[in-house]
Amino acid sequence: EVQLVQSGAQVKKPGESLKISCKTSGYSFTMFWIGWVRQMPGKGLEWMGNIYPDDYDTTYSPSFQGQVTISADRSTSTAYLQWSSLKASDTAMYYCARPSIAGDFDYWGQGTLITVSS
Amino acid sequence: EIVLTQSPGTLSLSPGERATLSCRASQTVNSNYLAWYQQKTGQTPRLLIYAASIRSTGIPDRFRGSGSGTDFTLTISRLEPEDFAVYYCLQYGSSLSYSFGQGTKLEI
Repeated sequence: EVQLVQSGAQVKKPGESLKISCKTSGYSFTMFWIGWVRQMPGKGLEWMGNIYPDDYDTTYSPSFQGQVTISADRSTSTAYLQWSSLKASDTAMYYCARPSIAGDFDYWGQGTLITVSS
Repeated sequence: EIVLTQSPGTLSLSPGERATLSCRASQTVNSNYLAWYQQKTGQTPRLLIYAASIRSTGIPDRFRGSGSGTDFTLTISRLEPEDFAVYYCLQYGSSLSYSFGQGTKLEI
């Protein structure tokens, strides 16, 4: 069974750094891309970027390029999303999701709620 | 970057009625790369349709996806109470770039 299990909710202050995780199981980690999706409070879904764990090839939405870093650890089948300096506007739910062979996101993590407040 | 525009923003209907949701792209989308999702409050998005018209596993046949080029439609033939949610379209594949529509809220 394919599973994506994300790290827990976090409350951080502006300017702090953060790295959240998405641990996968039930499939070959290096054979599928992994993506990250943001959902701000009461708003829609926004694609942030994807990573291909086999060669660490990464693609970002122009809206998120330079704002976050997506990485992966093949040894633990885990993908990561990180910020070097959080802003209040980063407050949101963040989902990891696995694209199928066809490309659509067919499996999703449960989401990680990030709250950034002074 | 392909921009998806969904309409209407909110659709108010009753159980048993037919819902028609639209997703229009700013440039041609390969029909193989258009999906629809349902999201209920507090829940993870659920894949309904992929490749524009193929229902995902376990999705009832009252959900139907159609369209090509820049115009795509999700039709729910007879609304059930559990269908009231927010629906998103997603395009994928253009230079490994993805984008979601802004969503349509289907309310009673």
